[in-house]
Amino acid sequence: GIQVEQSPPDLILQEGANSTLRCNFSDSVNNLQWFHQNPWGQLINLFYIPSGTKQNGRLSATTVATERYSLLYISSSQTTDSGVYFCAGDYKLSFGAGTTVTVRA
Amino acid sequence: NAGVTQTPKFRVLKTGQSMTLLCAQDMNHEYMYWYRQDPGMGLRLIHYSVGEGTTAKGEVPDGYNVSRLKKQNFLLGLESAAPSQTSVYFCASSFRRDSSYEQYFGPGTRLTVT
Repeated sequence: GIQVEQSPPDLILQEGANSTLRCNFSDSVNNLQWFHQNPWGQLINLFYIPSGTKQNGRLSATTVATERYSLLYISSSQTTDSGVYFCAGDYKLSFGAGTTVTVRA
Repeated sequence: NAGVTQTPKFRVLKTGQSMTLLCAQDMNHEYMYWYRQDPGMGLRLIHYSVGEGTTAKGEVPDGYNVSRLKKQNFLLGLESAAPSQTSVYFCASSFRRDSSYEQYFGPGTRLTVT
């Protein structure tokens, strides 16, 4: 199956800071999603983004399919952004190990 | 729409006991999936189904069985639970539209095997 590598593994931010999370894939994927797992364990769909750029409020994502990576941008971070961010690809969703984000007030 | 629901939310089993986890979706999705998540890790696919009456193995299928008798339901069974099956189990569903398989997840079932 496809291998998914996420970086960084951990990120500590001061409220209001911006950050970029990266996801690399071992092979091309035509199905890519970003999720946020909140502290209660719920998985929330952030983006379905097999290619191109999308924005949703303070979050945006870019996938460069030909180079097998995707980026998630968090701007003006808030404490509610804390949690684990996962990217996953392929129709059976191979998951990365996640980036744990902690936003401090 | 309730989306994807899972029953039960929590369960404690003793080694060797059996149980069934129920997943239901009301979005008329063709595809359904069962994943497990262990501490500090991403999700791993156990089994999936591409339609009513069909099932297939995922990355970690050993010790589990599944059934998809109705389009809206996907059942995950543990015949003889082992401590290694202690995990959080997530169900997901997706449609297939123009090579898109965007998945939507249920709230999870936390299972402890003692």
